Amino acid sequence: AIRVTQSPSSLSASIGDRVTITCRASQAISSYLAWYQQKPGKAPNLVIYTASTLRSGVPSRFSGSGSGTDFTLTISSLQSEDFATYFCQQYSDYPLTFGGGTKVEIK
Amino acid sequence: EVQLVESGGGLVQPGGSLRLACAASGFTFSSYAMNWVRQAPGKGLEWVSGISGNGGSTYYADSVKGRFTVSRDNSKNTLYLQINSLRAEDTAVYYCAKVWYDRGLDHWGQGTLVTVSS
Repeated sequence: AIRVTQSPSSLSASIGDRVTITCRASQAISSYLAWYQQKPGKAPNLVIYTASTLRSGVPSRFSGSGSGTDFTLTISSLQSEDFATYFCQQYSDYPLTFGGGTKVEIK
Repeated sequence: EVQLVESGGGLVQPGGSLRLACAASGFTFSSYAMNWVRQAPGKGLEWVSGISGNGGSTYYADSVKGRFTVSRDNSKNTLYLQINSLRAEDTAVYYCAKVWYDRGLDHWGQGTLVTVSS
């Protein structure tokens, strides 16, 4: 199975900060990587797919990059509604695998 | 509007069984693969199982292979997960999610809680 290592596991940031989260796959997955946002008590919500495509309706302060094994989610200017946990997921091959998650907290 | 509504969770003893269901609406159910993803309390997401649109292909995480069975009834727009030989570590919220072709999981249900305890 393809392992996905996400870092950091948590971070503290202030409103307006630039935030970067990374995921590394144990083997090349082309661009078959998605990012999800999850708020407490809610289901995850797809934010970015194919590594860098912003889902319709998602604010443009979110961006994704990378291909192969190394990927990044960036929030250019953190807003209050962005405090949540973010997960990456590879869907290059079954079994699908998720990163461990990054909890973005208020500093 | 796409809607996915899970049901069937509950409290079950170790070794027991449950059948989860996910009722889908708002899209052509048979055209899309579907997945089950679970989340243990306070933990991350764990992919559990997937099934193709026509049900002909199924996939499982190693942690559930041989104990869980995914199926679907396209005439009823419903996805199922039969879970047997339950263990304490299967305690989690189970989500069904729609696969958006090669773009990830674009719609999720609200989840159903399975608690395995004596």
